[in-house]
This record gives sequence, C-alpha cells and structure tokens, in this order.
Amino acid sequence: SQQGEEDPQALSIQEGENATMNCSYKTSINNLQWYRQNSGRGLVHLILIRSNEREKHSGRLRVTLDTSKKSSSLLITASRAADTASYFCAIRDSSYKLIFGSGTRLLVRP
Amino acid sequence: NAGVTQTPKFRVLKTGQSMTLLCAQDMNHEYMYWYRQDPGMGLRLIHYSVGEGTTAKGEVPDGYNVSRLKKQNFLLGLESAAPSQTSVYFCASSQRLAGVPGELFFGEGSRLTVL
Repeated sequence: SQQGEEDPQALSIQEGENATMNCSYKTSINNLQWYRQNSGRGLVHLILIRSNEREKHSGRLRVTLDTSKKSSSLLITASRAADTASYFCAIRDSSYKLIFGSGTRLLVRP
Repeated sequence: NAGVTQTPKFRVLKTGQSMTLLCAQDMNHEYMYWYRQDPGMGLRLIHYSVGEGTTAKGEVPDGYNVSRLKKQNFLLGLESAAPSQTSVYFCASSQRLAGVPGELFFGEGSRLTVL
C-alpha cells in the first residue's frame, strides 16, 4: 500500500510555537495533499503539492516534499489554539484514488 | 451552494439490516468517493467513481455496494450490515484538473452504528 504514514501520532505545543508533522510513503506519487479535521467534522483541504514541486506555502502553512526520501512535512508557524485538530496526508499515485494516512493529532495549548 | 451533503447523519441498524447512504454534491464534480473512518484512525477508501455511471473498488470494498446513476449523487449501500461496519462514513467529491482529480471536498459525515 502507498498509504502515507504520519509522524508523530500526537503533538502538544504551546500557542505561538511552530508545529511540524511528517508524512512518509512507499511508492511513486502524482501529488500529495494535506487535510485538517476538527473533532467530529469533515476534512478540509489545506495544500496540494505535486511530485515536481519541492515546497509550497499558504499563509502560516509550509509544505515540503522530498521524493527521493518519499517524505513530506507540514509546518504550521505561530500556532494558535484554533489550529487544534487532526492533520492527515493523502497520497495520489497514477490512479484516481486518494489514500489517507492515520493522521497527527495536534493540541495547541493556550 | 451546499457543497457535499450526506444523509442521514446518524443511523442505528441491527445486524443483517440493509440501508443506503446518500451523498449529493452541487459543484458539478466528476469524481466522488466514499471513505470510512474508525476511532483514532485515518480514512479508508471504500469505493469511488470517476464519472456518471462508473464505479470502482477502493481499499475496503467488501460488504458495500455503490451506484452513480446521476452525476450529482453517489449512493453507498450496505446489504447486510455487520457490527464491523460501525463507523463514520464520509463522502467527498473532486473536480477534474488537467485530467486528474483535484482537492477533495468532504461532507460532514454519517455516523452508523450496527448492533
């Protein structure tokens, strides 16, 4: 399976600190996406990074992709209590499927 | 513009009963997906559709059937529910970007309990 594996499984930080989450995968990808899920809600798309891209930014979010290491990272800078959620990476290979990892639970303490 | 709407939001079934979950999207998206999420876990793909009249199996298709008779609707059926199918079910849709699916838009989920 080319499912992404997130690391760490859980992360607790103080408001204002940066949060880094990592995703590793096994096979070649077309793109990799990051999603956020607030408790009891549906997932919300954050960033899509294509296999020929190395870094993308969106507001306080920064995503990097290293295809040689088959890994990606999501950095949230200057975290806020409202960033508390689960974060998932999702892998799209050459098919139409998007396969999700098991997620990182982020807690931002006020 | 409601996005992706799932019905029902909650349902309790007895083992062996059947039911259908309905997903409707009003964004004219080509691709639609059904996932399940179990406590503390990520999403697992059940079935998906790349267009009206087409369906395909995902990671965990056993015990489920789907239909996409209209572009805006994607139905997930459980013919004979089992306790192992207790889960939260999410529907998602995506538009076609350069011939491949783009970002997914998710519904709010349908919580199913099988006793």
